[in-house]
Amino acid sequence: AQSVTQLGSHVSVSEGALVLLRCNYSSSVPPYLFWYVQYPNQGLQLLLKYTSAATLVKGINGFEAEFKKSETSFHLTKPSAHMSDAAEYFCAVSVMNTGFQKLVFGTGTRLLVSP
Amino acid sequence: IAGITQAPTSQILAAGRRMTLRCTQDMRHNAMYWYRQDLGLGLRLIHYSNTAGTTGKGEVPDGYSVSRANTDDFPLTLASAVPSQTSVYFCASSVGTNTGELFFGEGSRLTVL
Repeated sequence: AQSVTQLGSHVSVSEGALVLLRCNYSSSVPPYLFWYVQYPNQGLQLLLKYTSAATLVKGINGFEAEFKKSETSFHLTKPSAHMSDAAEYFCAVSVMNTGFQKLVFGTGTRLLVSP
Repeated sequence: IAGITQAPTSQILAAGRRMTLRCTQDMRHNAMYWYRQDLGLGLRLIHYSNTAGTTGKGEVPDGYSVSRANTDDFPLTLASAVPSQTSVYFCASSVGTNTGELFFGEGSRLTVL
C-alpha cells in the first residue's frame, strides 16, 4: 500500500532561515507526490506536485521539493522563511484504485516562524 | 468562482442526533471526497465519489453515509452522532486523474457532546 511519513510534527525556524520539512514515501509503483499547505481556519491548498517529470519541483511562495527515488524522499524546502509561512504542511501520495484517484496524506508538520 | 462551498462552518450537536454536512462545487469536477482532520492523525478519507451516481468507502467510513445525486453536490450524513465524530470535516473535488490536484473547501467544524 502507498503511504507517506512526515518526520516531525513541529518545526521551528527563525525568519530568514532555511525551511526543511521531511517526507518519505512508500510505494510499489512510481508515485505521484504532493505538498499541501493549510493556513489557520482554512482548507488545504496545493503548494507543488511531482508527476514523474523533473525531479526538482518548484511551487508557490518560493517553496520547492526534490524527488529522490534512492532515498524514497520528497522533502520540502525554502531558502528563507517568512513569517507568513507559518502554517501546517501536508505531504500526500496519489493512489489509483480501479481507475480512481485518492490522496493519502501524512500526519502533517506545523511550521513555526519566529522573528 | 466559489470553488467548494461547505455548510455549516461550525456546529455543536448532541450525541444521537442526525446531522448532514453539505458540500457543493462549481468546477464540474467528476470526483469528490470527504476527509476528516484530527490532531496528530492528519486527514483521513471517509467516503468518495468518482462520478455522479457512484460512491465508495474510504479509510474511516463507519457511522457516515454519502450520496451523489448530481455532479455538484456531495452531502455527508451522520445518522446518529457520537463524540468520537468530533472533528473538522473537509470536502474536496478533483478531475479524478492520477496527477490531478484536489481542491478543498474551508471545512466544517463539528462538536458532538
